Amino acid sequence: DAMVIQNPRYQVTQFGKPVTLSCSQTLNHNVMYWYQQKSSQAPKLLFHYYDKDFNNEADTPDNFQSRRPNTSFCFLDIRSPGLGDAAMYLCATGEFGGETQYFGPGTRLLVL
Amino acid sequence: AQTVTQSQPEMSVQEAETVTLSCTYDTSENNYYLFWYKQPPSRQMILVIRQEAYKQQNATENRFSVNFQKAAKSFSLKISDSQLGDTAMYFCAFTLIQGAQKLVFGQGTRLTINP
Repeated sequence: DAMVIQNPRYQVTQFGKPVTLSCSQTLNHNVMYWYQQKSSQAPKLLFHYYDKDFNNEADTPDNFQSRRPNTSFCFLDIRSPGLGDAAMYLCATGEFGGETQYFGPGTRLLVL
Repeated sequence: AQTVTQSQPEMSVQEAETVTLSCTYDTSENNYYLFWYKQPPSRQMILVIRQEAYKQQNATENRFSVNFQKAAKSFSLKISDSQLGDTAMYFCAFTLIQGAQKLVFGQGTRLTINP
């Protein structure tokens, strides 16, 4: 089945230690999105890639970066995680101009 | 900027009952999509139903239907014959009709279906 895959499902890191979250898709969509969802809150868009074109939201902290080496993969890098970065990180994909986003299961990040 | 408001943090109904979840939004734009997404516990977000703002007819998907009131900027979700598997967090979301969708979510409504 075509799908959006996120690895790992749970990630524990230490305060200030860089961490990378991974997302892959078999849907061949040209847009990939990263959302941050803190406990009991709504998901909030961090940035998206349209093909290789990176689009950052204005209020996304500089601590968050992303890479998309090819159509299938997209990575979220947190350079120096703080306690406030503990959250569920959701990856989604869609077609440019399309109507629907497809979400992965999320990676829950814990910062110690 | 667009905002989405869900005024019901939690709701609980008995199995087989009908339940309506409320959502209001604010935008000055005319062309947009509205969505209801379902997020079961520890599972991924899935699309329940989508409404195009230019369509007057309310969207329906089996037991799920919406009441879209464009002038009032209201977009409620009705779940008929509720089932235990409907237990989840439900998010109302908005996006302008543009190249890349930038979903703006409401705070969510935690719906529990009791046996």
